[in-house]
This record gives sequence, C-alpha cells and structure tokens, in this order.
Amino acid sequence: SQKIEQNSEALNIQEGKTATLTCNYTNYSPAYLQWYRQDPGRGPVFLLLIRENEKEKRKERLKVTFDTTLKQSLFHITASQPADSATYLCALEKGYSSASKIIFGSGTRLSIRP
Amino acid sequence: GAVVSQHPSWVICKSGTSVKIECRSLDFQATTMFWYRQFPKQSLMLMATSNEGSKATYEQGVEKDKFLINHASLTLSTLTVTSAHPEDSSFYICSARYLRATGFGNQPQHFGDGTRLSIL
Repeated sequence: SQKIEQNSEALNIQEGKTATLTCNYTNYSPAYLQWYRQDPGRGPVFLLLIRENEKEKRKERLKVTFDTTLKQSLFHITASQPADSATYLCALEKGYSSASKIIFGSGTRLSIRP
Repeated sequence: GAVVSQHPSWVICKSGTSVKIECRSLDFQATTMFWYRQFPKQSLMLMATSNEGSKATYEQGVEKDKFLINHASLTLSTLTVTSAHPEDSSFYICSARYLRATGFGNQPQHFGDGTRLSIL
C-alpha cells in the first residue's frame, strides 16, 4: 500500500529564510500531489496542487516541485514569516474522479522564529 | 468561495449517547464528501467516502454500524457516532469536493473546521 513520509516531524527556522519541507512516497506514482496547511484545532486548508506531468508549481511565496523518478515532492516557503508557522500536510491522490481518495502524510510542524 | 461548514465544533457527552455531526458545502454542490478522524499530532485517517444519493464507502476497519453516514443532498452529509464510548473521542473532520465543469484535472478537497468529540 502507499506510504507517505514527510521529512521531519518539526522544523524550526529563522524568519526571512526559506523553509523546505520534503514529502516522499513509496509505491505508485499519484495522479496529483497536494499540499495543505493545518493550524491547531482547525481543518486543513488547501495550498497547492501539482499534477504528475508537472515539475514545478508556484503561488506567491510558495513553490512545489514534483519528481516522479525520486518519488518526492519539495515544498518551499520563501521569505518565511512567523505567520507561516503551522503544520503542513502532503497528500497524494491516485485517480481522476471526484471519489478518488486522498492519502495524507503525518505532517511537518513548521515554526518560524522572529 | 468553496466554504465547508461543520457543526458542532465541540461536543462533550456521556458514554452511550449518539452524536450527529453535520457537514455542509455552503457555496458549491459537493458530489463527494469525505469523513476523517484525527488523533493528536497524527495525520488525517479517512473513515469513509460519502456520495450523494448512495451508500457510503467505508475504509477497512471502520464499523459502518458505529459510524452512520447519510448524504441526502448535494450540500449536506451527516456522520452519526452511535452509542459513543470514550475510545471514540477524537477530532472528526469532513471535506467536500466538486468536479470542474470544464477542462481537465481534479479539484482539491475543501475542509470543515472539525468537530472535537469528547465522550465521558
């Protein structure tokens, strides 16, 4: 079965630096790979989606890469701010229908110190 | 856009009580809704997939008689935890998605803010 690993449980970096989070998967290549942000006691919020035929996607200070050979996605936050502190979840989706299931990684807790 | 409302946000009740949680898509029609369970510092575990007008599809190990799901309309799905016990205490989150009308590609899931269920 598909296994997802996010590089570290927690990441602590200085404000202004680039935060890089890693997501590795072990089995089939997903049709889509998504990144979500989750704040304590809240539901996840969608950030970015990248398709299997795309290598990179950007949105403002966020950048996601997708390497199907390495079975890895990297999530970057440039010019990080304390407000970026949250848990970031990587999620994989296998199929293309509305009922396709999404499998979530365990998340990386990111802390940005002023 | 794409707002999902989940209610209630917090429930505390006695063991043996049944608890109903509602999940509504406020500004779009959701062909599919998903119900997740999350333990502290752990990821979301999919419990079941709810399709409008048909029976829910439960994940392995999830008791369908314990967790009743109803998806009566394109904007509402409910999860009822029947005869809840302390081990059912958890954070329950729903999500909804819709198919893009044109073009290709799938849509992300839009999540509610979760329901914290505490069974005494």
